[in-house]
Amino acid sequence: DTGVSQDPRHKITKRGQNVTFRCDPISEHNRLYWYRQTLGQGPEFLTYFQNEAQLEKSRLLSDRFSAERPKGSFSTLEIQRTEQGDSAMYLCASSSEAGAEAFFGQGTRLTVV
Amino acid sequence: EDQVTQSPEALRLQEGESSSLNCSYTVSGLRGLFWYRQDPGKGPEFLFTLYSAGEEKEKERLKATLTKKESFLHITAPKPEDSATYLCAAASGGSYIPTFGRGTSLIVHP
Repeated sequence: DTGVSQDPRHKITKRGQNVTFRCDPISEHNRLYWYRQTLGQGPEFLTYFQNEAQLEKSRLLSDRFSAERPKGSFSTLEIQRTEQGDSAMYLCASSSEAGAEAFFGQGTRLTVV
Repeated sequence: EDQVTQSPEALRLQEGESSSLNCSYTVSGLRGLFWYRQDPGKGPEFLFTLYSAGEEKEKERLKATLTKKESFLHITAPKPEDSATYLCAAASGGSYIPTFGRGTSLIVHP
């Protein structure tokens, strides 16, 4: 399978805990995006990488959110001190180049209790 | 700021009843208009990319068209398995970051 892979698929955590999600993009895709989606809404852009460079991070929801893409391969999204409002689907997507279609993974469903 | 608006929010059709979904966009220098299908609990599935006004793409019962201000997704003789949320996204010049609309929830009754 050469699609975008996200892990875990589901995560339940207690408020105040830190969580980390992983995304493996389609191989050789140099662009990687993170989005958040809540019920009834479209995906909301968070951040993106061009290879290993994080080129836009001003839309991360707060300083509790951070993302990395070491060596331009897989990426991680970390949320520190989770809050109930962080409960959502976190989606990762990759594309071969700027302006090309992005292919999404199945998402990580986060529930903060 | 880039904006994408989809209408209607929800659409119920009878099997075989053709219709269209609308996507209006306001972006500075369109670099790509994308359509996706999303099933409940899953990630969006790519359908089409359109790059310039007048362009059309087709796939089975779906046809996407593009003008300078909006895009349409035409569904011909839909089947119950076409029930899903259809998302539209536009990427603008500069960052090329796709901005999504809220989607149209389509239900096709047998």
